[in-house]
Amino acid sequence: DAGITQSPRHKVTETGTPVTLRCHQTENHRYMYWYRQDPGHGLRLIHYSYGVKDTDKGEVSDGYSVSRSKTEDFLLTLESATSSQTSVYFCAISEREFYREEDGYTFGSGTRLTVV
Amino acid sequence: QKEVEQDPGPLSVPEGAIVSLNCTYSNSAFQYFMWYRQYSRKGPELLMYTYSSGNKEDGRFTAQVDKSSKYISLFIRDSQPSDSATYLCAMSVIYNFNKFYFGSGTKLNVKP
Repeated sequence: DAGITQSPRHKVTETGTPVTLRCHQTENHRYMYWYRQDPGHGLRLIHYSYGVKDTDKGEVSDGYSVSRSKTEDFLLTLESATSSQTSVYFCAISEREFYREEDGYTFGSGTRLTVV
Repeated sequence: QKEVEQDPGPLSVPEGAIVSLNCTYSNSAFQYFMWYRQYSRKGPELLMYTYSSGNKEDGRFTAQVDKSSKYISLFIRDSQPSDSATYLCAMSVIYNFNKFYFGSGTKLNVKP
């Protein structure tokens, strides 16, 4: 997806290990978001950022932390991975906090994480 | 009870058919509604946006909101194999991106 890159694309990790997922954007957008997508649950917001070093919790933040030291990078860390965190993780970016009709809300291609 | 309910499908139709995709919701305060299309192994992309009630048309796509029934629909006319994807609805009380609730998606397969 243009302007937003997630890494890695796939990862298998063991229970109890820390894992960090990276979202990198080239759009210079202020707002960045981490979602997880699970069958039957749709997309659920984990954390979001409204600027460098400014972050807040979403709906399902337990077990996750985030950091944003630069405008272009937003990191999601699973402090001690559990099997319930097996999911597809999406990063998204937006120029504004408040939606306007001409706005986009761009998602990355996702990271498929398996915790065994 | 989930905020947003969406039939997961899969919905399989022949090319050229009219497709109707639907979501129901429980929060009567929702007033911002979006439809996203998600191809396999890709992130969702915004397809349609509507505010409050009524219809909105964009090419072969029509989004409809019925707030009295707490029901929204996406219609696709003259469906094409390239429309095969998962369609997600999303809605919010206020128009902050961080306040949207997503449906779980309906998988659509358009057969040539």
